[in-house]
Amino acid sequence: GAGVSQSPSNKVTEKGKDVELRCDPISGHTALYWYRQSLGQGLEFLIYFQGNSAPDKSGLPSDRFSAERTGGSVSTLTIQRTQQEDSAVYLCANLWTGSNYGYTFGSGTRLTVV
Amino acid sequence: GDSVTQMEGPVTLSEEAFLTINCTYTATGYPSLFWYVQYPGEGLQLLLKATKADDKGSNKGFEATYRKETTSFHLEKGSVQVSDSAVYFCALPEGGTSYGKLTFGQGTILTVHP
Repeated sequence: GAGVSQSPSNKVTEKGKDVELRCDPISGHTALYWYRQSLGQGLEFLIYFQGNSAPDKSGLPSDRFSAERTGGSVSTLTIQRTQQEDSAVYLCANLWTGSNYGYTFGSGTRLTVV
Repeated sequence: GDSVTQMEGPVTLSEEAFLTINCTYTATGYPSLFWYVQYPGEGLQLLLKATKADDKGSNKGFEATYRKETTSFHLEKGSVQVSDSAVYFCALPEGGTSYGKLTFGQGTILTVHP
């Protein structure tokens, strides 16, 4: 596609439920990143994929968080047993190389845990 | 580790005023430097970038120059508009690479009044 697409754009869930957030990256871009943006914490790195592998998972805040990527394309971030502190905007990004070098972000998923 | 420090906000200006948002960094090597903008309710958009020392990035009337000697990448605009009201983030890829996970400053909220 022409840009990074994330779904859903908004998600309200009850505390304790599991949620899945989806990132559909730009076709052919192998590097994919997940970030979290929350009030008071700014932008935090969560996980990085190169192809289907995740060489850097250092930002995942707990074992309730996991992510996978299949076919070098779509990535899913799963949060199990959601807590109120998980409320945030979750952003996905692709890395462009070459003359258009830079990181392109999706519009994010706003997660609210009630 | 690598870090980015932005000037404290929020910044409030009148239309047509001059804008400076300071950004300084500590990093391994000489990373690329980015400014991202986030308009209300939207995701992060790349505003401008510089990939080596003394490069000047520019876009939409905004400019920033990569200053190795002062480890700075200050954002400037000569005449701001109401439509420039947004949050601005300075960022760099960690580890002195061009593809590492981005480290962001804390963000500076800019409000421009008519």
